[in-house]
Amino acid sequence: QKEVEQDPGPLSVPEGAIVSLNCTYSNSAFQYFMWYRQYSRKGPELLMYTYSSGNKEDGRFTAQVDKSSKYISLFIRDSQPSDSATYLCAMSDSNYQLIWGAGTKLIIKP
Amino acid sequence: DTAVSQTPKYLVTQMGNDKSIKCEQNLGHDTMYWYKQDSKKFLKIMFSYNNKELIINETVPNRFSPKSPDKAHLNLHINSLELGDSAVYFCASSLNTGELFFGEGSRLTVL
Repeated sequence: QKEVEQDPGPLSVPEGAIVSLNCTYSNSAFQYFMWYRQYSRKGPELLMYTYSSGNKEDGRFTAQVDKSSKYISLFIRDSQPSDSATYLCAMSDSNYQLIWGAGTKLIIKP
Repeated sequence: DTAVSQTPKYLVTQMGNDKSIKCEQNLGHDTMYWYKQDSKKFLKIMFSYNNKELIINETVPNRFSPKSPDKAHLNLHINSLELGDSAVYFCASSLNTGELFFGEGSRLTVL
């Protein structure tokens, strides 16, 4: 079993829909949780960074961490075609060595 | 100004050749990384350097050798290239907070 599980998709939704992306993990020592977005032929870029449990909102994006269930989510409201990308979750314990999910390919259809 | 820049962006070469990829960051970060991303988009860490010292060396064939002449540069040299080395190689840097800044990638194709 991988330390971080993420469905590779693709996930295809119509423009304007709410998107939910998820990762599960097995290591209870993880306390830093990140979502990176990667456009085609580009490097990943940090989208959201969360410490421990709870929610964090930034514009149309909300990151949620449930440490009791070892489950993290990224919600995208009012999705746009420009949100089409691969979304990678990553997490670490206190030594900041990131463990990555496989990435979910998201397609927003106009 | 590009924060993390790597060259070349594309590299096509024959099996058995030796090639290098260069990386430079102007963010003042202490830690730099090399990642390999395969065709399924899975990111796998290869090496990590902190202030020119190797701190992570994952299970990578010893044909791959990183070199850090100073903390702003981390180069990757690959000897005796094999078909399975074809991938996109990403350089990244961080301040040891888990927030990584990636370059645009170097797409290596081995024929």
